[in-house]
Amino acid sequence: LAKTTQPISMDSYEGQEVNITCSHNNIATNDYITWYQQFPSQGPRFIIQGYKTKVTNEVASLFIPADRKSSTLSLPRVSLSDTAVYYCLVRPGNTGKLIFGQGTTLQVKP
Amino acid sequence: DSGVTQTPKHLITATGQRVTLRCSPRSGDLSVYWYQQSLDQGLQFLIQYYNGEERAKGNILERFSAQQFPDLHSELNLSSLELGDSALYFCASSVESADLEQFFGPGTRLTVL
Repeated sequence: LAKTTQPISMDSYEGQEVNITCSHNNIATNDYITWYQQFPSQGPRFIIQGYKTKVTNEVASLFIPADRKSSTLSLPRVSLSDTAVYYCLVRPGNTGKLIFGQGTTLQVKP
Repeated sequence: DSGVTQTPKHLITATGQRVTLRCSPRSGDLSVYWYQQSLDQGLQFLIQYYNGEERAKGNILERFSAQQFPDLHSELNLSSLELGDSALYFCASSVESADLEQFFGPGTRLTVL
């Protein structure tokens, strides 16, 4: 499985756009990229997934360049409630198990 | 609310004991996953069942076992408990066996004294 690297922590202020970049240099052709959010003492929650280019849903956008060696999760206009750990995961489309790394702890300040 | 339920919410037990954690997946989901989250190891995949059969295995200890029943609920059995087994245990479910979107339950917090 491809190894992912993302910043350990990030700070932001309410109303700002936050971009969290994840590198996955050894991503394979059949790997998909997915992001999860986790609040303290709660189970992770799926945010978004993608294979290439750009994907947008009601919560976030995911930008994946052509070489797919990195991806960027974009959270528009964050609020205090977006303070959480964000995990970037890369895995083949034919397997169910999710391998979580250390994630990025996002702290949103007023 | 993800639709996945786990019982009990909290469990306190002693070393050497055996416990059973229970998970009910979302209605219609055939796949159930178990994860362990501890401070030192982070969030780790343990095992997956799909429609009653084991589908994938992760870093699950031999002292741990799981099963998925015909009604699709799942149980994780932890035996000969050690202090290091203290953790949050999450169950997740998805419709198919390789879905990227998994729905996680609220977890069971196990404390081994």
